[in-house]
Amino acid sequence: QKEVEQDPGPLSVPEGAIVSLNCTYSNSAFQYFMWYRQYSRKGPELLMYTYSSGNKEDGRFTAQVDKSSKYISLFIRDSQPSDSATYLCAMSPSGAGSYQLTFGKGTKLSVIP
Amino acid sequence: DGGITQSPKYLFRKEGQNVTLSCEQNLNHDAMYWYRQDPGQGLRLIYYSQIVNDFQKGDIAEGYSVSREKKESFPLTVTSAQKNPTAFYLCASSRTGGAGELFFGEGSRLTVL
Repeated sequence: QKEVEQDPGPLSVPEGAIVSLNCTYSNSAFQYFMWYRQYSRKGPELLMYTYSSGNKEDGRFTAQVDKSSKYISLFIRDSQPSDSATYLCAMSPSGAGSYQLTFGKGTKLSVIP
Repeated sequence: DGGITQSPKYLFRKEGQNVTLSCEQNLNHDAMYWYRQDPGQGLRLIYYSQIVNDFQKGDIAEGYSVSREKKESFPLTVTSAQKNPTAFYLCASSRTGGAGELFFGEGSRLTVL
């Protein structure tokens, strides 16, 4: 079993829809959980950053971490065509291991006007 | 504006040649990283450096070399020993104390002819 599993999609939704993106993981030592957005031929940019379990909201984006289920989610409300990108989950343990993020393979999202 | 600059954006090389990718940051970050991205593979860590004059191998270091002589610079050399070097290479940096919030460059696409 891979350490981080992420459905690659592609996922296509109409403008205004609520989008749910998910990752599962197997390493119980992971403490930091991130979501990155990557536009085509560009470097990823950090969207959301969460330490340990819980929810975090930033505008139209909500990140959830459920450590008991080893499951993280990113919700996008009122999706826009500009949200069309690949979304990568990433996670790491704390301490010295925090320098080595493990990434999911990414989910490609298209928001159709 | 602070950020990470990678050059060149596109690079072609013949088999058997070494090539060096440049990465410069002006974010005053101590830690720097090199990742490789292949279609459907996600990001894989090649090397990382927590501080000047020190660096560690990541998951796929074979066939690559790095140096960290200055805080701002972390060049990556793709040697002829790398069996499948065609890929998208991403440089990133972060503050010390954890790798979660990575800031990425725009990437360098290397094609071996």
